[in-house]
Amino acid sequence: GAGVSQSPRYKVAKRGQDVALRCDPISGHVSLFWYQQALGQGPEFLTYFQNEAQLDKSGLPSDRFFAERPEGSVSTLKIQRTQQEDSAVYLCASSSGLGASSYEQYFGPGTRLTVT
Amino acid sequence: GENVEQHPSTLSVQEGDSAVIKCTYSDSASNYFPWYKQELGKRPQLIIDIRSNVGEKKDQRIAVTLNKTAKHFSLHITETQPEDSAVYFCAASSNQAGTALIFGKGTTLSVSS
Repeated sequence: GAGVSQSPRYKVAKRGQDVALRCDPISGHVSLFWYQQALGQGPEFLTYFQNEAQLDKSGLPSDRFFAERPEGSVSTLKIQRTQQEDSAVYLCASSSGLGASSYEQYFGPGTRLTVT
Repeated sequence: GENVEQHPSTLSVQEGDSAVIKCTYSDSASNYFPWYKQELGKRPQLIIDIRSNVGEKKDQRIAVTLNKTAKHFSLHITETQPEDSAVYFCAASSNQAGTALIFGKGTTLSVSS
């Protein structure tokens, strides 16, 4: 079946530009997570949605980062006024949120953002 | 909050040897411990996970052990093959669905033939 998909796969932005990154979770998955992965590091949590509700945004590094999931399926991560330190791979993960498999998170391929 | 330490950062083995990667965690409330394999430029793939109500879980050539008292868990890969070469991440989370995973920094495993 279809896994988590993300677009674009690569994004180059000039410093100060706004970017929008899209995540399509596995169909029917209630939980959706965004992570940031710097080069050579493990993924770091940014924010979590249960359906359309953003229940945890404690990992967002600044108020330039904003995420939404208005209909409880597709999610968009927006970064305003990008800075060089925002360069990273942005990963989306989803989990069913139901039953014994509720913990298992499945990742998308990521969007590699480069800010020049 | 939770902190996960992972060792070693790099591991080189000969094909057919075993590989062991170890992780420690700090939050005693954590009770879910997955392992992910990430090949260069690819997505992290869930390869095995363990919950705190068991001490060991095995799936073919891979196994994970958990010691809740010592707050550490390990990944064991037997009969390694070149296609096992990748970065492996351990992670931990607490006992609620929807809780963020806290990852270790990763182990780069190289299997030479």
